[in-house]
Amino acid sequence: GESVGLHLPTLSVQEGDNSIINCAYSNSASDYFIWYKQESGKGPQFIIDIRSNMDKRQGQRVTVLLNKTVKHLSLQIAATQPGDSAVYFCAENTVEGAQKLVFGQGTRLTINP
Amino acid sequence: DAGITQSPRYKITETGRQVTLMCHQTWSHSYMFWYRQDLGHGLRLIYYSAAADITDKGEVPDGYVVSRSKTENFPLTLESATRSQTSVYFCASRGQGASPYGYTFGSGTRLTVV
Repeated sequence: GESVGLHLPTLSVQEGDNSIINCAYSNSASDYFIWYKQESGKGPQFIIDIRSNMDKRQGQRVTVLLNKTVKHLSLQIAATQPGDSAVYFCAENTVEGAQKLVFGQGTRLTINP
Repeated sequence: DAGITQSPRYKITETGRQVTLMCHQTWSHSYMFWYRQDLGHGLRLIYYSAAADITDKGEVPDGYVVSRSKTENFPLTLESATRSQTSVYFCASRGQGASPYGYTFGSGTRLTVV
């Protein structure tokens, strides 16, 4: 079936550096791609999304890039802080029907002081 | 308090027992979802509901039963728990419209089947 996956299960960066988390997807019919952050003991929290007709979207310290040619999604976090330590998931959905989210495996981001 | 709440927060049960996980939301959102999260995996959809009395299967529905007699509640029942159902369960809701950020997740229920 369709799936969303991640290249790297863990990522360790120095505080203040930029982080890049990658994701591969297979459903070219998806309308939205979304990044979630999950801290220990909590449910996923929305970070940023991008529509399928865009290739870049910026938020506060975060940027999402979408490359539909190679079905690749990335999340860039600028000037990482200790509070950025979490597991990050990419997900996709469509605007039709129930708009179910399909999640990738997740990447654990660790910030070193 | 407004929001989405799950109960219990932690549950240990024995193989073969029936257990129900509760989910309650205060926004009158139409859609509600149950996901399970296993170590090393992302969230997988178990069941979802588009409105009261309307439910449908997700990716991994076997061994689970849901109901939605009221808009605000969406309980998930394991009719005869198995060890493979040890997991963290998340409930989510969202309102109408094409807003992917409209999803809100509960804090999860950690279920251990022994």
